[in-house]
Amino acid sequence: EVHLEESGGGLVKPGGSLRVSCAASGFTFSNAWMNWVRQAPGKGLEWVGRIKRKIDGGTADYAAPVKGRFTISRDDSKNMVYLEMNSMKLEDTAVYYCATDGGGSYNELHYWGQGTLVTVSS
Amino acid sequence: DIEMTQSPSSLSASVGDRVIITCRASQDISNYLAWYQQKPGKVPKLLIYAASTLQSGVSSRLSGGGSGTDFTLTINSLQPEDVATYYCQKYSSAPPYPFGQGTKLEIK
Repeated sequence: EVHLEESGGGLVKPGGSLRVSCAASGFTFSNAWMNWVRQAPGKGLEWVGRIKRKIDGGTADYAAPVKGRFTISRDDSKNMVYLEMNSMKLEDTAVYYCATDGGGSYNELHYWGQGTLVTVSS
Repeated sequence: DIEMTQSPSSLSASVGDRVIITCRASQDISNYLAWYQQKPGKVPKLLIYAASTLQSGVSSRLSGGGSGTDFTLTINSLQPEDVATYYCQKYSSAPPYPFGQGTKLEIK
C-alpha cells in the first residue's frame, strides 16, 4: 500500500526558512516523479513543484510564485523528498502536500499525503 | 504560463440531476488533464486522468471528456456523497502543472 507522510511544518517568520519532508513507502520511490502541492486556508489547490526521477535527470521545476525561493530535493536511499523554503512570505501559509503517480505513469497524482501546515507570521 | 479555468465556480443541484463542470486550458494540453475531488477537511482524490480514464474504484456515474483545450467532468444522478470541490489539473508534458480554481458542488 502506498503511503506518503509529510513532516516538518510549523510557524516561521516572514523572511525565514523551513524545510518540510515527505517519507514514501509502498512503491518503487526511485522510479517516481514527486510533486509538492499546497493549499492556503480556505483556498484552492496550487501546484508548487516537481522533481523528476534520477533516470530522467533528477531535475526540479517550480511554479512562478516560488521559483528562486523554494528547492525540491530527493534522497532515493531513504525514500524521502524535501521542500526547502527560503525568503518566506505571508502568502506561503498553507497546507503542503506531497503527491505522486507512484512511478511508471504520466505524473497524474494518484497518491497524496495528509499534508503538513506551514504558517508564516510575525 | 498556461492557465486552467473552471466553470462554474459554484453549483447547486438536486439529487438525481446531471451536473457538468467545464475546464478550459489557455493552450493545447492534448489529453493531460486530471480531475480531483476534495471533500471538506480531506485530502484530494484522483477521479479521472488522461481526460477520460476513470480511476479504479471511482463511481461509474462520473465521466470525463474533451481534448486540446476544452474538457468536461460529468456527474450523472447526483448523490449526497458527491458534495465536494472539484479541481482540474494539467499534469504532464512541459511544466508548470496548474490546477483550475475549483468548482464547489452543493445539493439543493
